[in-house]
Amino acid sequence: GAVVSQHPSRVICKSGTSVKIECRSLDFQATTMFWYRQFPKQSLMLMATSNEGSKATYEQGVEKDKFLINHASLTLSTLTVTSAHPEDSSFYICSARAVAGEEKLFFGSGTQLSVL
Amino acid sequence: RKEVEQDPGPFNVPEGATVAFNCTYSNSASQSFFWYRQDCRKEPKLLMSVYSSGNEDGRFTAQLNRASQYISLLIRDSKLSDSATYLCVVNLGGGSYIPTFGRGTSLIVHP
Repeated sequence: GAVVSQHPSRVICKSGTSVKIECRSLDFQATTMFWYRQFPKQSLMLMATSNEGSKATYEQGVEKDKFLINHASLTLSTLTVTSAHPEDSSFYICSARAVAGEEKLFFGSGTQLSVL
Repeated sequence: RKEVEQDPGPFNVPEGATVAFNCTYSNSASQSFFWYRQDCRKEPKLLMSVYSSGNEDGRFTAQLNRASQYISLLIRDSKLSDSATYLCVVNLGGGSYIPTFGRGTSLIVHP
């Protein structure tokens, strides 16, 4: 089945640091990737939809200058949390559609970000 | 009203019990529906798609009720390993692809 690799799995950083999270599709080309954030005991909240070669579409309330998304190739999308603060501490997870028209999502294993 | 709603639970059941979850959605134009399973601090994994005619996979049965705008998941003969959070996912976009997650229903199966 389709595999999505996400790393790092865990990051602990100081306030003000920028953190980059990578999401790679290993055996398929992902034209669309989704980035989610999940707080404890909450649902997955869509942050942005990333299409290869174009600017990401951000959900309402998500700061695009705070959460930089780059989808430069069909197999790699990155999320950079700039100048992280403790309130950015969360579980970040990416997902990808394997084939256009296919609606199943394949998820990365997630990144637990802790900002001190 | 939230677009996709689930009872967060937890549902606390003994091994061997039958348990059912519902999930309601707001957009009547929604076209596709899924159940995912998520273990603590792990990524969601697809459990099953939900078809109009209903579908069954072993101990798991999923059904769709378009008139009342809800989907259901039935788990028979619960196992300890079924303990997890079950996420309802609805493509709310009609012609577009906008997968939207419910907050999940927590299931705890005890001996």
